[in-house]
Amino acid sequence: KAGVTQTPRYLIKTRGQQVTLSCSPISGHRSVSWYQQTPGQGLQFLFEYFSETQRNKGNFPGRFSGRQFSNSRSEMNVSTLELGDSALYLCASSLNGIPDNYGYTFGSGTRLTVV
Amino acid sequence: KQEVTQIPAALSVPEGENLVLNCSFTDSAIYNLQWFRQDPGKGLTSLLLIQSSQREQTSGRLNASLDKSSGRSTLYIAASQPGDSATYLCAVRGYSTLTFGKGTMLLVSP
Repeated sequence: KAGVTQTPRYLIKTRGQQVTLSCSPISGHRSVSWYQQTPGQGLQFLFEYFSETQRNKGNFPGRFSGRQFSNSRSEMNVSTLELGDSALYLCASSLNGIPDNYGYTFGSGTRLTVV
Repeated sequence: KQEVTQIPAALSVPEGENLVLNCSFTDSAIYNLQWFRQDPGKGLTSLLLIQSSQREQTSGRLNASLDKSSGRSTLYIAASQPGDSATYLCAVRGYSTLTFGKGTMLLVSP
């Protein structure tokens, strides 16, 4: 079965712009989580969506937002980009977002560079 | 707040060696622990998942153990190969989030 698909793979944006990243989970999975990975901070949790509702949110400013559609695909938006937003953004898919025997499956990520 | 520490931060070994990567966490109230592998610039590949009630899991040359009460997990790699070179990440599971360590960067030389 197809894995987790993230698009685009690479993005270059300038400060002040906004960006939208997309994630399509594994077919049948209803939970999508987003993580930011930087060399300094490592992997940090952004938010989780389940059945079109944000169920959990990490400690990020309001410039970071997301949504989930009825087909479980999710988008993440970052407004007023800052240089520090340059990172690898990873999406994780799970069946119901609750602990189970399968854990999370991650996509290949979107590399965002802010110049 | 859960904190996850991985030691060592980097490790370089010759091919064929057996090695152990360490992961410790501060809050033992976890649901499970997952080990991932990350190649440069790529996403995460799940290696092993250990439930909080389990002591170990094995997959091929990999064996992961979990001691929940002491807040520790180890990933044992037998007979290392150059293709094992990657960053290994440990993640502990709260109800709906993962908390990650910073990883161990492994280099296996031919």
